[in-house]
Amino acid sequence: DAKTTQPTSMDCAEGRAANLPCNHSTISGNEYVYWYRQIHSQGPQYIIHGLKNNETNEMASLIITEDRKSSTLILPHATLRDTAVYYCIVLPLGGGSEKLVFGKGTKLTVNP
Amino acid sequence: ETGVTQTPRHLVMGMTNKKSLKCEQHLGHNAMYWYKQSAKKPLELMFVYNFKEQTENNSVPSRFSPECPNSSHLFLHLHTLQPEDSALYLCASSQEGSGANVLTFGAGSRLTVL
Repeated sequence: DAKTTQPTSMDCAEGRAANLPCNHSTISGNEYVYWYRQIHSQGPQYIIHGLKNNETNEMASLIITEDRKSSTLILPHATLRDTAVYYCIVLPLGGGSEKLVFGKGTKLTVNP
Repeated sequence: ETGVTQTPRHLVMGMTNKKSLKCEQHLGHNAMYWYKQSAKKPLELMFVYNFKEQTENNSVPSRFSPECPNSSHLFLHLHTLQPEDSALYLCASSQEGSGANVLTFGAGSRLTVL
């Protein structure tokens, strides 16, 4: 029973913003939205997480809708090195990192 | 370099061989994990060690034997593997108790069983 739904794949032009959507319509009040990415043949890498406010760090921005049923990860200026599978995961804070379930994610391809 | 180092990066072994994968974390974390990633499949959690104690074993066959001698080192001993065990084996660490749910992964060990 998937808790998040993401498109299978997306394309983006280098230098443009990449907007990756995620639906989590059954999210609970104490569940955070986490984003990780996995570049080919490497381990996943943590990107960002948030509860209800928009969050920004050096890697990306996370926009969560007011009803918290969906979110968007934004890479403001995508580069070829951002080509990866992006995972959206919901989990309560302190829920235990072993409960992070990496589904199929979205395969983002950044084109030159 | 993420702070989690895995060796070897590539390993080819026969079904009767015994080999080990090694993971070392330099982050001062208190929990370590082994994951398996087969081709075109999602990550599968195999083992969890929290403060050196194994807290999770997700029905992994006994031909995979983990060892955690201290909070910085984690091994996966491999014995009598099958070709279907060929996969990318990923180690991760985290600071449990901080509430952050942030895993730091190594680059992985690519295992091929002939």
